[in-house]
Amino acid sequence: GAVVSQHPSRVICKSGTSVKIECRSLDFQATTMFWYRQFPKQSLMLMATSNEGSKATYEQGVEKDKFLINHASLTLSTLTVTSAHPEDSSFYICSARGGYEQFFGPGTRLTVL
Amino acid sequence: DQQVKQNSPSLSVQEGRISILNCDYTNSMFDYFLWYKKYPAEGPTFLISISSIKDKNEDGRFTVFLNKSAKHLSLHIVPSQPGDSAVYFCAASGATSGTYKYIFGTGTRLKVLA
Repeated sequence: GAVVSQHPSRVICKSGTSVKIECRSLDFQATTMFWYRQFPKQSLMLMATSNEGSKATYEQGVEKDKFLINHASLTLSTLTVTSAHPEDSSFYICSARGGYEQFFGPGTRLTVL
Repeated sequence: DQQVKQNSPSLSVQEGRISILNCDYTNSMFDYFLWYKKYPAEGPTFLISISSIKDKNEDGRFTVFLNKSAKHLSLHIVPSQPGDSAVYFCAASGATSGTYKYIFGTGTRLKVLA
């Protein structure tokens, strides 16, 4: 199947700093990428839809100024958590659309101290 | 409002027996359904999908059944193996209608006992 990578796999940062997470489709071009967040023992919550060359579409309740998404190329989308706080600690997962299916990255564990 | 529900948070099955995982949805606009397997601290791995024009899709040990009138789908794994132990998520989308967002269920943790 198609391969999607995420970097970094885990990050620990101090409260108030910003953290950037990269999502890459390695062997296909993805006009659409998605960002999810998963809390422990809970479902994957869609945060936003990222379209190449245009602004991301955020789900209700997700702060767009807090979670900045950039989809500058057909193989790369980035999520920046700005001024991170402990409540932003979570597991962030991206996916890239290929046809009807989404291929998921391995996830990034963010811990904000 | 949880549009996709998996009412069983966990399930234990003996190795070699059948595992049946259930999923219910409320939105009649969903027309494409998928099952994903997930291990802790990893991204979901695609297992099998089904379009609303079908009522069954089979791939090896995995079969997905869709009952549109009941808005219910199920994943059958037979025979179950210890390596199948993971959290299983169902997801729904309006893919064929142009909406590619996935709505995930809450997951069912499957444990296959050796």
